[in-house]
Order: sequence, then C-alpha cells, then structure tokens
Amino acid sequence: DGGITQSPKYLFRKEGQNVTLSCEQNLNHDAMYWYRQDPGQGLRLIYYSQIVNDFQKGDIAEGYSVSREKKESFPLTVTSAQKNPTAFYLCASSILPPNTGELFFGEGSRLTVL
Amino acid sequence: RKEVEQDPGPFNVPEGATVAFNCTYSNSASQSFFWYRQDCRKEPKLLMSVYSSGNEDGRFTAQLNRASQYISLLIRDSKLSDSATYLCVVITKAAGNKLTFGGGTRVLVKP
Repeated sequence: DGGITQSPKYLFRKEGQNVTLSCEQNLNHDAMYWYRQDPGQGLRLIYYSQIVNDFQKGDIAEGYSVSREKKESFPLTVTSAQKNPTAFYLCASSILPPNTGELFFGEGSRLTVL
Repeated sequence: RKEVEQDPGPFNVPEGATVAFNCTYSNSASQSFFWYRQDCRKEPKLLMSVYSSGNEDGRFTAQLNRASQYISLLIRDSKLSDSATYLCVVITKAAGNKLTFGGGTRVLVKP
C-alpha cells in the first residue's frame, strides 16, 4: 500500500537532547513537508522540500533541522535549541505543484519533553 | 493579521441540524482552496476542494466568496460522526504555491 510512514508514534525526550523523527513515503511525491501542531491549534510549517538535496524553511524553522538525501525520506531533527518542543509533528507529501490541494499525511509523532 | 483565519469554535450542533462556518484569507492572490477534516489526535485528511461556483459533496457544501475573501463549509443533517475539527487550506501560486492552513473550527454534534 502507498502512503507515508512516520516513526516513532510517541517519543519522550529529556531537556537538552536532540531527537530525530523519521518520515518515509512510497508515493513517488516530489514535495515533502513537516508541520507542528499544538493543542487546539492549526498546523504550522517547519520545513519543506521540493527536490532531493534541497529544502526551505517554513514559518517556524528555528530549533529544527532536516535533510533530503533520498526522494522517499525527509527526517526532522528537533534540536536542544527548540525551546518548546512538546507538540504533535506531522509529515506530509504532495505532487508538484500542489494544485490539487491534497497533502498525504503520516499518522504523526507525538513528542513530549520531560 | 493571520494569513488564514477561522473561528476556533466549538460549534455545538444538535444531531440533524445544519451548521456553517467560514475561513477568511488575507492574500487576494490566493487561488486554490480546500477543506480538511481532522479527528481528535489524528492526521488531517482532505474533505473537499472549493470551486469558484460552489460545490457539493453529499451533505457538505463549500463556497468561495472572492470579493470578501472567504470560503465557507456547510454541513446539512449533521451526524454524530461529523464531530471533528475542520481546517481550511489556501494555496497561493504567487508565493510559490505556498499552502497555508487555518487554525481549524471544532464542530461537536450532540444527540
């Protein structure tokens, strides 16, 4: 089945630790995205990538880093510089351009900082 | 002003009633609009596109008002299963096909 797989689903981190969230897609989509969602809030764009080895900052990139070494993979690292990392993180992919408006989302990764 | 704004609700709706809510956008160059549905603690999923002339999908009707820069979603004959958060998405080609999500409107359908 085609889709997006995020892991882990739940993650606990101590303050000062970096953590990497995995996102893999087998939809052959060119574009991939990382969003953050806080309780009762909408989605805010962290980073996006339209091609391998290239990515752009979104609205809230500070404290995060990404890589796009393969078309299928777009991992997100939440660094210790991110002041409030506890959130629900969603990875998505789409065709380019995204005129159909359809983003395919993974099931999300829920990060809690202890 | 936020690029895309929604009333967060919640809209408490009796089962079988009709509910409607809007999403306003600030960039007049935005050209594509969509509604997503997000269930509690789940990922968002595309509900429907919004066409210039308005469109229906079963009990759901979406409309676009370019002059006032808002889109709307109307749900008729509400079901308990319609309880969710509805997110609008705006695509602006002039900004490199940027997708912007609204904050979502929470709908609670009660028996």
